[in-house]
Amino acid sequence: GNSVTQMEGPVTLSEEAFLTINCTYTATGYPSLFWYVQYPGEGLQLLLKATKADDKGSNKGFEATYRKETTSFHLEKGSVQVSDSAVYFCALRGGYSTLTFGKGTMLLVSP
Amino acid sequence: SQTIHQWPATLVQPVGSPLSLECTVEGTSNPNLYWYRQAAGRGLQLLFYSVGIGQISSEVPQNLSASRPQDRQFILSSKKLLLSDSGFYLCAWSGQGLNTGELFFGEGSRLTVL
Repeated sequence: GNSVTQMEGPVTLSEEAFLTINCTYTATGYPSLFWYVQYPGEGLQLLLKATKADDKGSNKGFEATYRKETTSFHLEKGSVQVSDSAVYFCALRGGYSTLTFGKGTMLLVSP
Repeated sequence: SQTIHQWPATLVQPVGSPLSLECTVEGTSNPNLYWYRQAAGRGLQLLFYSVGIGQISSEVPQNLSASRPQDRQFILSSKKLLLSDSGFYLCAWSGQGLNTGELFFGEGSRLTVL
């Protein structure tokens, strides 16, 4: 079945540091890949997505590239801000199946 | 534009009491609807999803149930809550069809069972 593995947190960074949150997946076929973000006390919202190999999703300075050869979709940002503190979820959707989420990675950014 | 609302936002219930969480979607028709539970350290667990009125698929056997009495209404229920039912419950919707991968989430309902 489908599965998503992402690095455990919390990831603690200083403002303006470089961010990488690793995500790898297992799926049959060609799934679509997503990053969702959950700010404190809120539901999840889509951050970015990629639907085919080598696609790069980007939004709000975050980006992730769909790497089929390494089955990865790592999230990166060149310079994080305090307001980026949240929990980040990697997810995949294959065909008509429901979304499969990773366990989430908490990011804490200090001034 | 489409919106999704769920309530109540916060709930504290004793063990053995019933539960009803409600979710409604506006601005779209025939959505796929989902209930997820987020427990500490366990990520998001899909509980139920529905592709139409009266059609419910259960992903995890437990003492919870779901119903979809109307096209844009999704209800999560329990007759007798357990301590392990505590968590953050999220309702979500998506459009029908293969090309829609995105889920749109409600604000969440935090349930504490004592």
